[in-house]
Amino acid sequence: ETGVTQTPRHLVMGMTNKKSLKCEQHLGHNAMYWYKQSAKKPLELMFVYNFKEQTENNSVPSRFSPECPNSSHLFLHLHTLQPEDSALYLCASSQDRVGPNEKLFFGSGTQLSVL
Amino acid sequence: AQRVTQPEKLLSVFKGAPVELKCNYSYSGSPELFWYVQYSRQRLQLLLRHISRESIKGFTADLNKGETSFHLKKPFAQEEDSAMYYCALRLDSSNTGKLIFGQGTTLQVKP
Repeated sequence: ETGVTQTPRHLVMGMTNKKSLKCEQHLGHNAMYWYKQSAKKPLELMFVYNFKEQTENNSVPSRFSPECPNSSHLFLHLHTLQPEDSALYLCASSQDRVGPNEKLFFGSGTQLSVL
Repeated sequence: AQRVTQPEKLLSVFKGAPVELKCNYSYSGSPELFWYVQYSRQRLQLLLRHISRESIKGFTADLNKGETSFHLKKPFAQEEDSAMYYCALRLDSSNTGKLIFGQGTTLQVKP
């Protein structure tokens, strides 16, 4: 599949579990992002990676741990989450870090429920 | 603090009526603004960006620095315009690609 692919589409986990979200892009982009979309809040940027290097951590709790082994793959490792972490987690990519002419390409998201 | 405000959660209009989706921002620097759209069962995607001064699918948006607004407009709404619309602000001081999104407005175009 071309574009930005996220797996799994849905995830239910307990507060003591450890799970990982995966994002893959086949667009040849250099920048990748994790966003969180909660029911009553705007899309919140979590992390930005550019050429595999983390360039932004938007004060995200340490129970969320990103990993970017290469420019095509991005993971979000989850451990000891709280019910309030339940949300849609969106991955996005762009050719380079977002500038006035850059645009984000989004995945379909992983709907996470923490019990 | 930098912020993007979309005051309307839902905007419902009839087909053929004009549409204006409001977006206001709070930022002391030079803003770069975008509109993203999410159609039913589709991914969030870029609709237009202010720097391009483009018209996409009949939509336009003008940056008004005096009013700190970037409202999205279309003279005649179509049913296929029904979607969730997000206004987004990029901080020019950011070298990290940080985009701040508004809460989104659902546009419902009735036949």
